[in-house]
Amino acid sequence: EVQLVESRGGLVQPGGSLRLSCEASGFTFSVYAMTWVRQAPGRGLEWVSTITGSGGLIYYADSVRGRFTISRDNSKNTLYLDMNSLRAEDTAIYYCAKDGKAVAGFESWGQGSLVTVSS
Amino acid sequence: DIQLTQSPSTLSASVGDRVSITCRASQSISNWLAWYQQTPGKAPKLLIYKASTLQSGVPSRFSGSGSGTEFTLTISSLQPDDFATYYCQKYNSYSSLIFGGGTKVEIK
Repeated sequence: EVQLVESRGGLVQPGGSLRLSCEASGFTFSVYAMTWVRQAPGRGLEWVSTITGSGGLIYYADSVRGRFTISRDNSKNTLYLDMNSLRAEDTAIYYCAKDGKAVAGFESWGQGSLVTVSS
Repeated sequence: DIQLTQSPSTLSASVGDRVSITCRASQSISNWLAWYQQTPGKAPKLLIYKASTLQSGVPSRFSGSGSGTEFTLTISSLQPDDFATYYCQKYNSYSSLIFGGGTKVEIK
């Protein structure tokens, strides 16, 4: 069974930093692209960043490029999101999601981590 | 950049109704479209991919159609578990896996 377990989020001051992690199990992690998606309170889904299975290709939404860094450690089956220069508008639930490959969509999701940026 | 526009933003319906949600892309995305269902407090769930392929385990009352710039998600007979928010997503390139704005299906 595929499982994606995210780290606990937290409360961060504006301008601060936070690292999220997503530990994967139940599949060959290194084969699949992984993505972070966020959802601000009461709002829709926003794609944040995607990293290919090898880590060789990385993509970011304009809203986070230059501030967030996605990475993965395939030896630990873990995906990361390093968030710097956090702003109030980064407040959201952050989900990690697994690419389906032949299934063109996110076929598995983590439980979500709440990140609150506030003073 | 390609944008996705969903309509309506809210839909009121009753159990047993047939409902349809539209997703329009600002440029052609062929059939690279996915649909998700999200209930409050839960992660989204993949329903349909490649515009019309039902994800494993999803009830057959859900169907998808369309290609190019216009897509439709149809629920043939709305069930109590189907009251949720639905999102479309373009899935043609990892460089921009954007979502539509969402459609909330609520009880009439």
